[in-house]
Amino acid sequence: GDSVTQMEGPVTLSEEAFLTINCTYTATGYPSLFWYVQYPGEGLQLLLKATKADDKGSNKGFEATYRKETTSFHLEKGSVQVSDSAVYFCALNHKNEKLTFGTGTRLTIIP
Amino acid sequence: DGGITQSPKYLFRKEGQNVTLSCEQNLNHDAMYWYRQDPGQGLRLIYYSQIVNDFQKGDIAEGYSVSREKKESFPLTVTSAQKNPTAFYLCASSSIAGVYEQYFGPGTRLTVT
Repeated sequence: GDSVTQMEGPVTLSEEAFLTINCTYTATGYPSLFWYVQYPGEGLQLLLKATKADDKGSNKGFEATYRKETTSFHLEKGSVQVSDSAVYFCALNHKNEKLTFGTGTRLTIIP
Repeated sequence: DGGITQSPKYLFRKEGQNVTLSCEQNLNHDAMYWYRQDPGQGLRLIYYSQIVNDFQKGDIAEGYSVSREKKESFPLTVTSAQKNPTAFYLCASSSIAGVYEQYFGPGTRLTVT
């Protein structure tokens, strides 16, 4: 079945550092891919998405490129801020009504 | 503003009691979902519904029940049969066309003692 594997956390970085959170997936065909963010005590918010191979999703300085050849959708940001501290979830949807989520990566940014 | 509301934000119950969590959406979405999140873990799907008066079990439906009498509402009942009900519960909705992008509510933290 479909699955998503995320880089294990927690990840701790200094402010203005470069961020990469790895995400790989297993699915047949061409799923849609998502990154969600969860701030403390809140629900999930969609951060970005990509619906076909080589698409790049971007939002709030974050980017992720849908790589079919490596089945990956790594999240990147060039310069993180303290306000980026949250839990990040990678997810996929494969032409059905359910999302398959990774286990989440907790990110902490130190001033 | 369109969105999903969940109430209450915090809920406390004694063991052996049933409790119902509210979820309402005004996004005109056909599909609605309930997830459970435990500390340090990902989301696990409890139930979902694509249309009024119909719903399907997710991965961890045992000890839970739902109803979908209105398009806007999808309440979740945590029954006394749920062995470990203390968790953070998230409701979501999506359209059933396109990429099934889900929108989430703020969550309800349930504590059962």
